[in-house]
Amino acid sequence: GQQLNQSPQSMFIQEGEDVSMNCTSSSIFNTWLWYKQDPGEGPVLLIALYKAGELTSNGRLTAQFGITRKDSFLNISASIPSDVGIYFCAGQLNNAGNMLTFGGGTRLMVKP
Amino acid sequence: DAGVTQSPTHLIKTRGQQVTLRCSPKSGHDTVSWYQQALGQGPQFIFQYYEEEERQRGNFPDRFSGHQFPNYSSELNVNALLLGDSALYLCASSRSSYEQYFGPGTRLTVT
Repeated sequence: GQQLNQSPQSMFIQEGEDVSMNCTSSSIFNTWLWYKQDPGEGPVLLIALYKAGELTSNGRLTAQFGITRKDSFLNISASIPSDVGIYFCAGQLNNAGNMLTFGGGTRLMVKP
Repeated sequence: DAGVTQSPTHLIKTRGQQVTLRCSPKSGHDTVSWYQQALGQGPQFIFQYYEEEERQRGNFPDRFSGHQFPNYSSELNVNALLLGDSALYLCASSRSSYEQYFGPGTRLTVT
């Protein structure tokens, strides 16, 4: 089945630094989404991307839908302690249903 | 505006037993999806319900079944529980095929 490879798996960053993470797939998706999950909670939607090449921002977060439709990246600018958590990319095909295929997650840890 | 709610929060069952998990979608949403999230992994799609019918199904055995009610709420049933079924079960709702919003999950432990 489809698999999403997300990297890096984990990262420590200094508060105030910018963060980049990406997600690649062996097949295309029509929609890319990025979620953040805190311990003991469900994933929270951060950004949704609907067109190849699209660049979308949500506050300090910026995400792009790769031109090949097989990849996406997420940038976080000027990281703060509350950015700690696990970030997941998810791809959606929109073919008679909108099931999500998730990556393995990027665990973000911030040094205070 | 209430988000997606799930019950119970935590559940402990014995191998071989059956379990039912419940989900109420976000107001205005008509589609409910269920995901299984093992520790340290991303969620895995189980199935999706729309108009009270199963619309899509992931690679899960028939022991996993579900139902959607006329008010769009949904249940996930798992029969003959195995130790490997221990996981966080997430419900997500959406308006048709638009983006999905997740509930807090039900933590199932099978002993």
